[in-house]
Amino acid sequence: QVQLEQWGARLWKPSETGSLTCGVSDGSFSGYYWTWIRQSPDKGLEWIGEINQSGKSNYNPSLKSRATISTDTSKNQLSLRLASVTAADRGVYFCARGVVRGVPVSAFWGQGALVTVSS
Amino acid sequence: EIVLTQSPGTMSLSPGGRAILTCRASQFVSSSYLAWYQQKPGQPPRLVIYGASSRATGIPDRFSGSGSGTDFTLIIDRLEPEDFAMYYCQQYADSIRTFGQGTKLEIK
Repeated sequence: QVQLEQWGARLWKPSETGSLTCGVSDGSFSGYYWTWIRQSPDKGLEWIGEINQSGKSNYNPSLKSRATISTDTSKNQLSLRLASVTAADRGVYFCARGVVRGVPVSAFWGQGALVTVSS
Repeated sequence: EIVLTQSPGTMSLSPGGRAILTCRASQFVSSSYLAWYQQKPGQPPRLVIYGASSRATGIPDRFSGSGSGTDFTLIIDRLEPEDFAMYYCQQYADSIRTFGQGTKLEIK
């Protein structure tokens, strides 16, 4: 069973850049879509963006270019950086891996990271 | 951006019953690139259906998806206690992926 682990600071400071990392332990990293999704009571599930098997990333324009998704294939890790955070960025952040190679449907999810934005 | 509207917002049914959840898209969803997720409190979403009608690994055949274009349906037959949860649809036809607001399936 594919298991994703998330880590990173859960308390972000306003106007600064927050970051999270996600890893998969079974080596099933390459060839899949990798996605970041967040969830909050007021916005529900919100797609942040994804990176495909070719390394091309795609973002939700509502984030106004603040998000950067990257991968380190040597470490089987996915990262998210979100710049200029505000209280509106609080929520549970999930990383997810595609169901099969080349399909951007999230079948395997991390446990979620509850992010708070506060000084 | 494709807006997905799910109905009903809440559905109250008894175990053994049949749930019919709908997801309507504001624009045509090409190639039936529509997925359904189940989410329970404190857990990440779990993929149930993708490609509008393909069950994900481990999903019982009580779950079935159908639809095309702008109208999609998730049917859950013979409801089990573990089926009561939130359900979300998501489209991945457009480069900006979007989710519906969810349907809460609760025990009557």
